[in-house]
Amino acid sequence: EIVMTQTPLSLSVTPGQPASISCKSSQSLLHSDGKTYLYWYVQRPGQSPHLLVYEASIRFSGAPDRFSGSGSGTDFTLRISRVEAEDVGIYYCMQGMSLFTFGPGTTVEVK
Amino acid sequence: EVNLAESGGGLVEPGGSLRLSCVASDFPFDTYVMSWVRLAPGKGLQWVAAISASGANTYYADSVKGRFTISRDNSRETVYLQMSGLRAEDTAIYYCAKNTAHEFWGPGTLVTVSS
Repeated sequence: EIVMTQTPLSLSVTPGQPASISCKSSQSLLHSDGKTYLYWYVQRPGQSPHLLVYEASIRFSGAPDRFSGSGSGTDFTLRISRVEAEDVGIYYCMQGMSLFTFGPGTTVEVK
Repeated sequence: EVNLAESGGGLVEPGGSLRLSCVASDFPFDTYVMSWVRLAPGKGLQWVAAISASGANTYYADSVKGRFTISRDNSRETVYLQMSGLRAEDTAIYYCAKNTAHEFWGPGTLVTVSS
């Protein structure tokens, strides 16, 4: 089973400032098809999760362009270029290389 | 726009059974993998089960293997989760999600396992 870890587990950010969340997998998420099966989601209060980034770095349709994903192999990062009030929520990474496993989540608070 | 709507949640006693349904619309349902994911109180998201587009292949998390069964009816554009041998730790909001990327999610249905 692939284990996912995230740091930090909580983050408090001033609006307009950048933020980043790290995600590490216990095995490489680079598939032989050339794709990296790492996804980022946000679950805002009272809502269902929403996909932000797929295949490590491709922003999903509708996700604001202040969100970006990067990384390869086993180390990944989600960056928010300028945090807005609506970005409050819990952010999860997920691997899709071998079935599916979510990271523990990072709670983002906006000051 | 993609629409997913779960139903079938409720209160059930430990050891009991429940069947969840997720009705899909506005996308070619029979061409996509579908998953169930849950969110237990105070915990993070946990993938539960997935089923291939045709229904021929199913996949489960170790924590539910042998107790839960995922199935689908493509003519009804519906995916199901039959849950039996329910335990207190199965208490959660259960979401269905479209595709291996889990790109769209339903609003969820709450399952509470308690005596």
